[in-house]
Amino acid sequence: NAGVTQTPKFQVLKTGQSMTLQCAQDMNHEYMSWYRQDPGMGLRLIHYSVGAGITDQGEVPNGYNVSRSTTEDFPLRLLSAAPSQTSVYFCASSPNGWTLHFGNGTRLTVT
Amino acid sequence: AQKVTQAQTEISVVEKEDVTLDCVYETRDTTYYLFWYKQPPSGELVFLIRRNSFDEQNEISGRYSWNFQKSTSSFNFTITASQVVDSAVYFCALSEARWMDSSYKLIFGSGTRLLVRP
Repeated sequence: NAGVTQTPKFQVLKTGQSMTLQCAQDMNHEYMSWYRQDPGMGLRLIHYSVGAGITDQGEVPNGYNVSRSTTEDFPLRLLSAAPSQTSVYFCASSPNGWTLHFGNGTRLTVT
Repeated sequence: AQKVTQAQTEISVVEKEDVTLDCVYETRDTTYYLFWYKQPPSGELVFLIRRNSFDEQNEISGRYSWNFQKSTSSFNFTITASQVVDSAVYFCALSEARWMDSSYKLIFGSGTRLLVRP
């Protein structure tokens, strides 16, 4: 029972590079979301989705894109990485929007 | 705009002490939800409680209790007789109530790190 799987676990990017953080869940949850966790800032919502084909912005969406072509997958794309995007990224799925099942996180460093 | 403030960055107590984690929120919505989550050292977020804005009754679950006071916009969390296993970061969160599509946009506080010493 995998739950929410995030890849990669660690990533180092140079400023300006692009990449995609992968997130997959096998619980058939309609709701999925991406958060970033920074020291002293707690968790901040980047984007979320209430079902395949539906996405919406959270608190800090700038610099990130998402898509939801299937129920299982919710990738997060960094278009042009900046040092301010250095953070730990968590993907979560939920059967109801608030009982969040989190992945193990991706630690991203942008130099 | 919605905002959640957890003014206590870190709290350290000795086992068996009671401890209260403060949470103050701001919202213009009349209908909203409040949450508490626990993040143990292993990193996953564990849901503890959800409370809607119409229900101001205090809630107790074992050693955990929550005090919701709309008049002061606070939703405080008390652990009675703390244990070492309670050591974690605790997050308070707020969401507007979206009845149609259950799209909860959770706004988290910055978290309170609780250390329970043996």
